[in-house]
Amino acid sequence: GNSVTQMEGPVTLSEEAFLTINCTYTATGYPSLFWYVQYPGEGLQLLLKATKADDKGSNKGFEATYRKETTSFHLEKGSVQVSDSAVYFCALSDADTGRRALTFGSGTRLQVQP
Amino acid sequence: ETGVTQTPRHLVMGMTNKKSLKCEQHLGHNAMYWYKQSAKKPLELMFVYSLEERVENNSVPSRFSPECPNSSHLFLHLHTLQPEDSALYLCASSQADRNLNTEAFFGQGTRLTVV
Repeated sequence: GNSVTQMEGPVTLSEEAFLTINCTYTATGYPSLFWYVQYPGEGLQLLLKATKADDKGSNKGFEATYRKETTSFHLEKGSVQVSDSAVYFCALSDADTGRRALTFGSGTRLQVQP
Repeated sequence: ETGVTQTPRHLVMGMTNKKSLKCEQHLGHNAMYWYKQSAKKPLELMFVYSLEERVENNSVPSRFSPECPNSSHLFLHLHTLQPEDSALYLCASSQADRNLNTEAFFGQGTRLTVV
């Protein structure tokens, strides 16, 4: 079956530091890949997505590249801000399996200190 | 008007109460979902509805009863809950077509506390 594995958190960084949150996946078909962000007390918001190999998703300074050869979709940001403190979820959608719901990783908490 | 709206945002209920959570989506999607998010646990998929038909039920206790009267509305009826059911309940919707991978859009959640 499909699965998503994320690095365990929390990840604690100083403001303006470089961020990487690792995500790897297993899938039977050709999935689309997503990063979601959850701010305290809120639901999940789509941050970025990539639908095929070598696609790069980007939004708000965050980037992730769909790497089929390594089955990875690592999230990166060059300079984090305190306002980026949140929980980040990697997810995949694999319609070929007939499953409608996304498969989520366990989430990685990011804490950015001033 | 947000895409997916959940009400109420916060709910405190006793173990003998009956309450309902409501979700409404304004995105024209054909699938809706309930998730449970507990502290220090992964996101748990509870129910999936596609075209108003329940297509997935992930071993959820019968004290949780979903209802999907149409493609825009989803309810979660709660009765005789336990304190361990306290969590953030998230509703989501998507356009779930065959061979098409699409993202889900989430509501802001209902923070449920069972006392």
